[in-house]
Parts: sequence; C-alpha cells; structure tokens
Amino acid sequence: EVQLVESGGVVVQPGGSLRISCVASGFTFEDYNILWVRQAPGKGLEWVSLISNNGVTTYYADSVKGRFTISRDNNKNSVYLQMHSLRTEDSALYYCTSGRGWTSENWGQGTLVTVSS
Amino acid sequence: EIVLTQSPGTLSLSPGERATLSCRASQTVGGNYLAWYQQKPGQAPRLLIDDASRRVTDIPDRFSGSGSGTDFTLTISRLEPEDFAVYYCQQCGHSPLTFGGGTKVEIK
Repeated sequence: EVQLVESGGVVVQPGGSLRISCVASGFTFEDYNILWVRQAPGKGLEWVSLISNNGVTTYYADSVKGRFTISRDNNKNSVYLQMHSLRTEDSALYYCTSGRGWTSENWGQGTLVTVSS
Repeated sequence: EIVLTQSPGTLSLSPGERATLSCRASQTVGGNYLAWYQQKPGQAPRLLIDDASRRVTDIPDRFSGSGSGTDFTLTISRLEPEDFAVYYCQQCGHSPLTFGGGTKVEIK
C-alpha cells in the first residue's frame, strides 16, 4: 500500500523558518517525482514545489521561489521542504504527493502549517 | 503561467443525473497533460483522470475526461451519492503547475 506521511507542521511567527518532512512507503521511491501541494483553510489547491526522482531537478511556484527549498534523501525514502521568511499567506495544509510524471498520483493526509504572531 | 478557469463554480444536481464540468486554459496545455481530482470534506484529493482522458486505476467508468488544447471536460454519467464533492483540474505540462479554482457538485 502506498503511504505518504507528512510531519513537522506547527505554529510559527511571521518571518520564521520551518522544515516539514514526508516519509514514503509501499512503492519504489527513487522512481517517483515528489510534489508539495498546499491548501489554505476553505480554499483551493495550490502547487508549491516538485523534485525529480533523482533529486537533480527542482521547480517552485513563484509565490515561494527564493524562500522554500525542496530536497530528498532516497536512502531514507524522505522528502523535505525547508521554508524561510514565512508569511501569513503561507498558512495551509501541506500535502506530499508522488507521481511518475508531474501528476499527483498519490497523496498524504497533510501537515498543517500556521503562520501567526 | 497557464491559468485554468473552471465552470460552473457550483453544480446542483440530483443522484442519477449527468454532471458536466468544464476547465478552460489560458493557453494550450502541452501534451494534453491535464488531470482531474476529486476532494471530499476532510479528505485529501484523489486523482481521477490524467492525460486529459485516462481514467486511473479503480476509478469507476462513470467518470470520463475529454478535450484537448485549451478546453477540457470531466463528465460523470450518472451521479452516485458518493460523487458529491469538489473537483479540480490541474495542468501538469508546464511549470509552474497550476490548478483551477474548483467546481463543487452538490445535491439538489
């Protein structure tokens, strides 16, 4: 069974930093791209970032470029999203997703990031 | 950036009726890399359709996707009670990847 389990979501002050993680199981991790998608409370879906299966290529939404960094450790079946200079508008449920292409085939249950003073 | 516009915003239908959801792109979606997701309250989204028309594993055949270029459609042939949810389209052919604003299918 494919599983993606996110963790690390907390309440953080504006301007702060946070790293969230995703651990995968049930599939050959190094064959899949990993994408982060977020959803603010009561709002729609927003793609955040993508990292290729081998970690060489990364992409970011304009709204997070220069502030967020995605990385992965294929030995640990894990992906990380390092977030700096957090803003209130970054508050959302962050989903870890996987896909052989750029489609989010499988989804975790999300980790909640709240940016508030 | 490719902007996706979904219509209508809300669709009020009865079980057994046909639902037609539209997703229009501001420019051509390369490779027709267009996906549809279903999201129910309190749950993560679920992939239904990718490559505009390929139904993924375990998705019932009442769901179908069509279209190309800039105009795409998700059709639910006969609504079941569990199909009332929010549906999102996403273009996966060009970075930044983008989602439409969603269509809520509600019980009339």
